[in-house]
Formats: sequence, structure tokens, C-alpha cells
Amino acid sequence: GAGVSQSPSNKVTEKGKDVELRCDPISGHTALYWYRQSLGQGLEFLIYFQGNSAPDKSGLPSDRFSAERTGGSVSTLTIQRTQQEDSAVYLCASTRNRYTGELFFGEGSRLTVL
Amino acid sequence: GENVEQHPSTLSVQEGDSAVIKCTYSDSASNYFPWYKQELGKGPQLIIDIRSNVGEKKDQRIAVTLNKTAKHFSLHITETQPEDSAVYFCAVVPGGADGLTFGKGTHLIIQP
Repeated sequence: GAGVSQSPSNKVTEKGKDVELRCDPISGHTALYWYRQSLGQGLEFLIYFQGNSAPDKSGLPSDRFSAERTGGSVSTLTIQRTQQEDSAVYLCASTRNRYTGELFFGEGSRLTVL
Repeated sequence: GENVEQHPSTLSVQEGDSAVIKCTYSDSASNYFPWYKQELGKGPQLIIDIRSNVGEKKDQRIAVTLNKTAKHFSLHITETQPEDSAVYFCAVVPGGADGLTFGKGTHLIIQP
């Protein structure tokens, strides 16, 4: 497709389980971001990938969170041993080359931890 | 790190009236100031942006103003319409950074 694709769109899990969220960026975009949006809150930066450089992980809230980007394209955000406070919408965005202008966001993955 | 404050958190205006949303930031080296609109169930989408070498930019009913001395910038929407109802986020690219720092958002409600 032409836009950023995220899956699943909705995920309900039990506390303590691991979850994986997937992001497929726009073809040709080398920069990829993950943000978290909690209810009524702004967009919290999690992690940033740029080409083959080491990712900027400075926004990850704990060591239960990790992300990888294989082949410079698809990215997976993994949350281990989920907690109720992890419930949020996880948004992925991509841009052509570093931050040169517009970020293109996916529709997000809504995670609910029971 | 950069601190972005956005006000108000909720704004209700009558259809046809104007709406103004304001943001302040802390890093004087910040050089790029976009505004994003998020409709229900969607990801945010860029609606207008301004760079530090200009003070105002307009696109039809939407305008953004920037005051670098005071470190604040504002979004102005004139002749509001029902489809303007959404959450609006301001953002800043701090000097030397690779990503955006977002405000907490403003829920704009257009009353018919």
C-alpha cells in the first residue's frame, strides 16, 4: 500500500504476556519512529531507526520494551511481560531521510492489557 | 531535553468562528515547528509547518505564527467547519535532534 501499515490494529492481552506489534513503513523511507499515545495524552517518543545506524532507544520506558528493524524496512516493537500501564495506542511513523519534514503515521496498534 | 507546552487541552467554538491553539517550547535552537491533526481512529497528519526563518505562514483557513524571541507559536483556524473537529498537536524539532517532541494535544470541538 501507499501508506504506513501497522498490525494488529487491536490487541487484547493478559498481564504478563509478551506482545509484538508490526510496522511496515512507506517504501523508500529510511527513517522510522515508534511513539506511544496513552488515553488523553500526547505522543511519547519511544525509538528511532535511521538506515543502518544504531537506533536511538532513549525513549523506551523500561527494558521490557525492545524494537528491531530488519532489512531497513519492517519494524517490530516487542513488549515483554506486559503490565496494565502499557495499555495505549502505539503509533509508527516514517520519513524519507532523517527528519527532513513530514512524518507519515500509521493508524496505530491499540494495546489493552487486562 | 525539549519541553513543549500546549494550551488549551480542550477548545469548543461555534461553527464559523475562529480557533487559536498555542504552544511554547524551551530549546532556543529549535528550528522546525509543525502542526498535526488527528481524527478519531487515525494517525496524526501534518496540516501546516513553519521554519525558524519566517514569522507566519498561511494555507487557506489555517495559519501558523512563530515568535522565536518569546519561544511560542500558534495555530489559527478561521471560519471553522465541522470537519475541523479533531485533536491537534504542535511539535518541535530541537536543535541537533532527529525527531519531534510533541505537545499534549488540543481537542477542538466545533459546535453546530
